[in-house]
Amino acid sequence: TQLLEQSPQFLSIQEGENLTVYCNSSSVFSSLQWYRQEPGEGPVLLVTVVTGGEVKKLKRLTFQFGDARKDSSLHITAAQPGDTGLYLCASLGGYTGNQFYFGTGTSLTVIP
Amino acid sequence: SQTIHQWPATLVQPVGSPLSLECTVEGTSNPNLYWYRQAAGRGLQLLFYSVGIGQISSEVPQNLSASRPQDRQFILSSKKLLLSDSGFYLCAWELAGGPNEQFFGPGTRLTVL
Repeated sequence: TQLLEQSPQFLSIQEGENLTVYCNSSSVFSSLQWYRQEPGEGPVLLVTVVTGGEVKKLKRLTFQFGDARKDSSLHITAAQPGDTGLYLCASLGGYTGNQFYFGTGTSLTVIP
Repeated sequence: SQTIHQWPATLVQPVGSPLSLECTVEGTSNPNLYWYRQAAGRGLQLLFYSVGIGQISSEVPQNLSASRPQDRQFILSSKKLLLSDSGFYLCAWELAGGPNEQFFGPGTRLTVL
């Protein structure tokens, strides 16, 4: 099983602050996805990164893929209460390389 | 457009009772299908995945089983529930041969008492 460690596990910040969430593994990712999940709902895909060193921006969210494809980060600028949720990274693994494995998750709370 | 449905949304069952959770996908053909379980505020544990009708792979030994009787239908079952089966169950689909991106249903909250 491919282990994806996310940090921090919990994060509580004031509206307007910046934050960074990390996803790390000892294995090389073939591709990596970031999801956001609100309580009582299924995760929603935010972005997929494939190439080492790749940077993708989605409004105030910036996703970076490590050069060695073993780590990734999600940076949020000027956080808003609507950003509150559980952020999950995921990558392919398993015996056939066709199964998704999810990270341990970062629970973000943005206080108005 | 594609949509994914799960039911029921919530379920409270006594220990030892059977379980059947259903997931259906619309708007696509021959998707890869997945069942996950999630503990409160934590990551997802992959339980089963299927690449076609009648083809089920299990990631972890457990009290649960899965079946795919139709192309876009995925069922999670148990003959006798345990307390440890409580959790949030999520079904997801993925376009076979596509860009490895999964789309999730709304989930089922199962409480075993």
